[in-house]
Amino acid sequence: SQELEQSPQSLIVQEGKNLTINCTSSKTLYGLYWYKQKYGEGLIFLMMLQKGGEEKSHEKITAKLDEKKQQSSLHITASQPSHAGIYLCGADTGSGYALNFGKGTSLLVTP
Amino acid sequence: KAGVTQTPRYLIKTRGQQVTLSCSPISGHRSVSWYQQTPGQGLQFLFEYFSETQRNKGNFPGRFSGRQFSNSRSEMNVSTLELGDSALYLCASSLGGTRHYEQYFGPGTRLTVT
Repeated sequence: SQELEQSPQSLIVQEGKNLTINCTSSKTLYGLYWYKQKYGEGLIFLMMLQKGGEEKSHEKITAKLDEKKQQSSLHITASQPSHAGIYLCGADTGSGYALNFGKGTSLLVTP
Repeated sequence: KAGVTQTPRYLIKTRGQQVTLSCSPISGHRSVSWYQQTPGQGLQFLFEYFSETQRNKGNFPGRFSGRQFSNSRSEMNVSTLELGDSALYLCASSLGGTRHYEQYFGPGTRLTVT
């Protein structure tokens, strides 16, 4: 089974609406990394969370890591078409120099 | 600083051939990781190199290999290509140490095996 589960798999929201993407791990997270990917391109680093309860924001995107360090959420406020893409969470679960990734959440923002 | 670069960007090969992909990390980054991305399996870890040493390898057959040079540039090789090897191959670089997992990705090489 997948170590990291992302939900939802896909999301279509109207411009201006808020949305949340979740990332749940079956193992303790030593670090959680959010990336954004445009279709067929490389990943763009968004944010890193390492401490339980940590919350970080950049522009209209906020990411949180829960106290038990097994779940993270990514929240986008007042979505814009530029937010469209695939959001991936990557986790350090202590497996040695490798990031384990969720399968991604595809986001489409409609006018 | 220039980002991570990967060459070539696109490649078409036939079954049974071999292929070499190249990755140049961000200047100063000593760790290079390789990932395979497919629609069905998502992003899967292939291997990681630091200072010319492979420190970890994912669950891929021995046909997949890699190396890192003294300037931190890395190559990965796939021998005896199979149709299932068609994927986007991504490399990522990081400083290593306590910032190992803060990885910066290249644009990828799209490999199509026919």
